[in-house]
This record gives sequence, structure tokens and C-alpha cells, in this order.
Amino acid sequence: DQQVKQNSPSLSVQEGRISILNCDYTNSMFDYFLWYKKYPAEGPTFLISISSIKDKNEDGRFTVFLNKSAKHLSLHIVPSQPGDSAVYFCAASATGANSKLTFGKGITLSVRP
Amino acid sequence: EAQVTQNPRYLITVTGKKLTVTCSQNMNHEYMSWYRQDPGLGLRQIYYSMNVEVTDKGDVPEGYKVSRKEKRNFPLILESPSPNQTSLYFCASSFISSQPQHFGDGTRLSIL
Repeated sequence: DQQVKQNSPSLSVQEGRISILNCDYTNSMFDYFLWYKKYPAEGPTFLISISSIKDKNEDGRFTVFLNKSAKHLSLHIVPSQPGDSAVYFCAASATGANSKLTFGKGITLSVRP
Repeated sequence: EAQVTQNPRYLITVTGKKLTVTCSQNMNHEYMSWYRQDPGLGLRQIYYSMNVEVTDKGDVPEGYKVSRKEKRNFPLILESPSPNQTSLYFCASSFISSQPQHFGDGTRLSIL
């Protein structure tokens, strides 16, 4: 049973436009959400996170929105740049002594020059 | 420089030949974890360790062992590798489990 779902395997956008990457989750205990970015031949790197007490977190060109009632979060990249082309993983965890990250399958973003 | 170092980066081996993938971090992190990445399946946790001498199974532990004798090292052991363990493996660490984790650059294992 997949608890974190990234239903679109890929997304292609034009440079300068907005990229919107979606993520859904099923476990209502999740209260902390993260986005990781991964380039080929490298490990994932942390991008941005959001706690369930917030509905928005912004860091430069990256904004994450959380809709708890819909169990949905999204990552907005504005403006998109060719260097943003990578695989993006959504991850979630629940507060607790042994909390662990549960990852989605990832989405490949291609930003066209 | 803060980093998680995995070795080897690439390995081709044969079924049944024991192997160890090493992982070392220099950030004094207490939490360490191993993941495997497979096409269409994303990142799945194999084992994790909350601290020295404390390890536990993740989502896909079958066929793997780990140990945590020192805080900085968390080796992944395949006692008798099989072809279904061909995958891309990542080690990660953080101060606590719920914090963003730092990942190594990965180890690509091919078991023939």
C-alpha cells in the first residue's frame, strides 16, 4: 500500500514558466513533509519542507503548499530554469520516536530552454 | 565539508558472494538509514539506526544486514546476494529521524 503517491511520472515545462509538482498521501498521521531533488549519478538533496501546522512554506523560487483536508501537497517552482531538470521526490513522516521518511516514486521534471 | 560517503560506487558481482557496502558520515548524526531505488518504486527503506548499537528493519529488509558499532559508520551487508538485489543503494543520515536527511551519492550494485 503506497502511502505517498506521485501519480505523474514526468512533467515538461518551458523555461520561465511555473512548474507544479503534486503529491498525495493516505496516512493521516503524517505531519511533516519534504521535497528532495535528485540529479543523475548523485544522491537526493533536501529542497524544502513543511510542517502540518502550516499550509505554505516558501524558499526563493520554491514554494510548498499543503492541503491537509485533501491530503495533498504541491511544489511550485517559479520561474523554472533548465537547471531544475531533475527527479523530485515527495516524502512524509509522522511525529514519534521512530518516525521514518516514506517516499513517493518521484517525478521527472524537464525544463525546456 | 559535510558529507555521506559510500563505497564502492559501482559493483558487479555474482550470486552468493558476500559483499559489504560501507557508509560513513562526518556530521556526528545519530540517525542513519539505507534505501534502495528501483524503477517505478521510488526510494524504499531497508534498515535504519537511531544510534550506536540500535538498528531496526525498514520496509524491505529481507536479504540484508547492518551494524552500527560506531556513530559515523553504518555498513550494509549482503550475506548471499541474489539478482533481485540488483539496485541503486543510498545511505543517508540526520540528527534525528524526522529531520531532512543527507544522502550519499549512491552505490549501483549488479548481481549476476
